[in-house]
Amino acid sequence: QTVVTQEPSLTVSPGGTVTLTCASSTGAVTSGYYPNWFQQKPGQAPRALIYSTTNKHSWTPARFSGSLLGGKAALTLSGVQPEDEADYYCLLYYGGAQLWVFGGGTKLTVL
Amino acid sequence: EVQLVESGGGLVQPGGSLRLSCAASGFSFSSYWMTWVRQAPGKGLEWVGDIKQDGSEKKYVDSVKGRFTISRDNAKNSLYLQMNSLRAEDTAVYYCVGGGGHDYWGRGTLVTVSS
Repeated sequence: QTVVTQEPSLTVSPGGTVTLTCASSTGAVTSGYYPNWFQQKPGQAPRALIYSTTNKHSWTPARFSGSLLGGKAALTLSGVQPEDEADYYCLLYYGGAQLWVFGGGTKLTVL
Repeated sequence: EVQLVESGGGLVQPGGSLRLSCAASGFSFSSYWMTWVRQAPGKGLEWVGDIKQDGSEKKYVDSVKGRFTISRDNAKNSLYLQMNSLRAEDTAVYYCVGGGGHDYWGRGTLVTVSS
């Protein structure tokens, strides 16, 4: 069974920088996994932030960026704002089985 | 404005069936794979399955294979999820998702499987 692992929780100070990561139990994450990132605030539907590793949607704030880092997909928030406090989920594509798998999510606290 | 509106959720007994619908507007529905994602109460997101633009390919997470069926009607800009043999662990909010980068999400519809 394929498992996608994220940090359960992270804390960052306002104005700071934080990197969330997304690892695959099958090995290094590459661009071929088409990493997606989503933000979800309490009581709301998820909102798409990043697709295909680095690509931003038109509504994605500039302070969010996606990359590959040390064999994982990564989401970096630079100049964190209080409104960035939320749960963040990554999503990876497994081409062999043609399936997508979400990570368990990271709860980001801005404190 | 892009809108995805799910409907059809509710309370159903274990072993029962339910059909969810998703009405799409504001984007080229027929141009994209469409996806169902669910979220159990207090838990994370789970990819349920998706369907190709013309409905010719469908993929499912193992836990729903043989029980759930995804379909679409491009003439009606609508996506469907037929859920049979429902179990307590299928209790979740079900989201309809569309767009090339999983761009667009509905608000979800709650399915509760309980006796």
